[in-house]
Amino acid sequence: GAVVSQHPSRVICKSGTSVKIECRSLDFQATTMFWYRQFPKQSLMLMATSNEGSKATYEQGVEKDKFLINHASLTLSTLTVTSAHPEDSSFYICSATRVYQETQYFGPGTRLLVL
Amino acid sequence: AQTVTQSQPEMSVQEAETVTLSCTYDTSESDYYLFWYKQPPSRQMILVIRQEAYKQQNATENRFSVNFQKAAKSFSLKISDSQLGDAAMYFCAYRTFNTGANSKLTFGKGITLSVRP
Repeated sequence: GAVVSQHPSRVICKSGTSVKIECRSLDFQATTMFWYRQFPKQSLMLMATSNEGSKATYEQGVEKDKFLINHASLTLSTLTVTSAHPEDSSFYICSATRVYQETQYFGPGTRLLVL
Repeated sequence: AQTVTQSQPEMSVQEAETVTLSCTYDTSESDYYLFWYKQPPSRQMILVIRQEAYKQQNATENRFSVNFQKAAKSFSLKISDSQLGDAAMYFCAYRTFNTGANSKLTFGKGITLSVRP
């Protein structure tokens, strides 16, 4: 159990367009989901924490209007990169936790390339 | 704020041998969780092992075990009988005991482990 999926696995888009990444918990209800960004050979950088039915909590330095996060149900959270630019190219990873549990289960990640 | 330090960026081990990956952390809390995650070349983060700070017994999962020294704030991972599939980046992570909005993980910088055949 505790499987998290992400879609798409990789996406290439033109500068100025918006891209939506979905994160789903397949076999459990996730009250909290997290979005990370990771550069090659580096650690994960937390972007935001989202709780079902609430506004996301963004980490310092993360632009809320650029990285829109929606957690509309207990199994789905979405990250929309608005007006993407080449510097937004990165590997985006989501994770999810069950209610009252502490372990984060990670999705396989989405590789975004903005041309 | 909590910090997690993995001071060794890279390590190498011979297949079938044992290797220990180091991790130290800093916190003022008495109750918390510690994790080791593995990230192979596929970049899928995989939970290796977890430890609750209130438990004195070191966690073990098959070939993986930890040496948890609470007073020293040290949490090392021992991999026994290393296999080629163990080659990956390993991240040590800390989580506060409280649930809710503070339930985020604090990661170390990671260590790249290579396994020599």
